[in-house]
Amino acid sequence: DIQMTQSPSSLSASVGDRVTITCRASQDITNYLAWYQQKPGKVPNLLIYATSTLQSGVPSRFSGSGSGTDFTLTISSLQPDDVATYYCQQYNSAPLTFGGGTKVEIK
Amino acid sequence: QVQLQQWGAGLLKPAETLSLTCAVYGETFSAYYWSWIRQSPGKGLEWIGEINHSESTNYDPSLRSRVTMSIDTSKNQFSLKLNSVTAADTAVYYCARGGKTMVQNYFDYWGQGTLVTVSS
Repeated sequence: DIQMTQSPSSLSASVGDRVTITCRASQDITNYLAWYQQKPGKVPNLLIYATSTLQSGVPSRFSGSGSGTDFTLTISSLQPDDVATYYCQQYNSAPLTFGGGTKVEIK
Repeated sequence: QVQLQQWGAGLLKPAETLSLTCAVYGETFSAYYWSWIRQSPGKGLEWIGEINHSESTNYDPSLRSRVTMSIDTSKNQFSLKLNSVTAADTAVYYCARGGKTMVQNYFDYWGQGTLVTVSS
């Protein structure tokens, strides 16, 4: 199985800050990487697929980058509505696997 | 607008069989792979497996011996059965839409989730 490791596991930042979350795969997944946002008590919501393609309706302050084994989700200007846990997911090969999550809070 | 609505028993005893069904509305059901995913506090998000309209399935190897997925294209529904459940199977279970090819799927539509608790 491909292990997905996210860092940090949690972070606290101020409104307007640039926030970066890292996801590392245990082997090369080319660009088969998705990011999800899950607000407390809610269903995961797809933000980004194919490493950097923004899902329809997702604000442009979210962006993704990377390739191979190292990937990044960036929020360019953190907003109160962004308080959530963020997960990466690889879909290069089965079994599909998710990272452990990064909880983002407002300072 | 695509909607997934799921249902099933929320409280099970050890050794019983978990059974969930997901109905899909507003979508060409046969064009996609449909997955089950679960989320527990201890293990995070875990993909269980997927099925398509031709009943092609792909299961997580760690659950394969206990999982059966089925599909009813006449009703636009797909189902999950997980037998011999234990407390470790306690989780919120989601159905979700994947893509049009096996395995290489991310999930753009999700059901509302069903909390399944296994307790004696």
